[in-house]
Amino acid sequence: QVQLVQSGAEVKKPGSSVKVSCKASGGVFNNYVFSWVRQAPGQGLEWVGGIIPMFGTANYAQKFQGRVTITADESTSTVYMELSSLRSEDTAVYYCAACRHDYNYAFDMWGQGAVVTVSS
Amino acid sequence: EIQMTQSPSSLSASVGDRVTITCRASQSISNSLHWYQQKPGKAPKLLIYAASFLQSGVPSRFSGSGSGTDFTLTISSLQPEDFATYYCQQSYSPLYTFGQGTNLEIK
Repeated sequence: QVQLVQSGAEVKKPGSSVKVSCKASGGVFNNYVFSWVRQAPGQGLEWVGGIIPMFGTANYAQKFQGRVTITADESTSTVYMELSSLRSEDTAVYYCAACRHDYNYAFDMWGQGAVVTVSS
Repeated sequence: EIQMTQSPSSLSASVGDRVTITCRASQSISNSLHWYQQKPGKAPKLLIYAASFLQSGVPSRFSGSGSGTDFTLTISSLQPEDFATYYCQQSYSPLYTFGQGTNLEIK
């Protein structure tokens, strides 16, 4: 079963961009679909977008269209999420999560989360 | 995007109680509905996938049911470690969405 290890905490200025990584190990990278899920302080879970590394295709929640880019590097089994034009409302914990067809695409593995703080 | 609505938003219960949380989808999602438990400061944990399948290692007091638009998560006899926030999530559409969460508190 795949293990997910995310990059560390980030502090960014409003208007800048952040790129968070998620390295998968212990499983076959192309067997998974990877998503990014965020959680603002005291709030619920919010799906940001996902990618199918086998096809290189990404889907994004309408709210983030045009501001987020999710990519995958098969050579390093790493998934990336870049969010641009940051604003204070983007302050959140960003989780990487993996799902498979066997589980009807439920997220059975999660990274540890990366705190992104947007502050001037 | 498919909207997921959970009820209640919060719930107070006692150890040993039977608890039911519901999740309604804005359109039919077949059985592509999953339930997660989250405790403060931790990543969510998968409890139930495909509406009714218990994830490996999850206690059998958790169960799920439903199909189409209406789903339930039931905890048959609450244990102290079950007090947490619960989320439903659909994977029928490639634009996944979560319910707003149900905060289960100790009465």
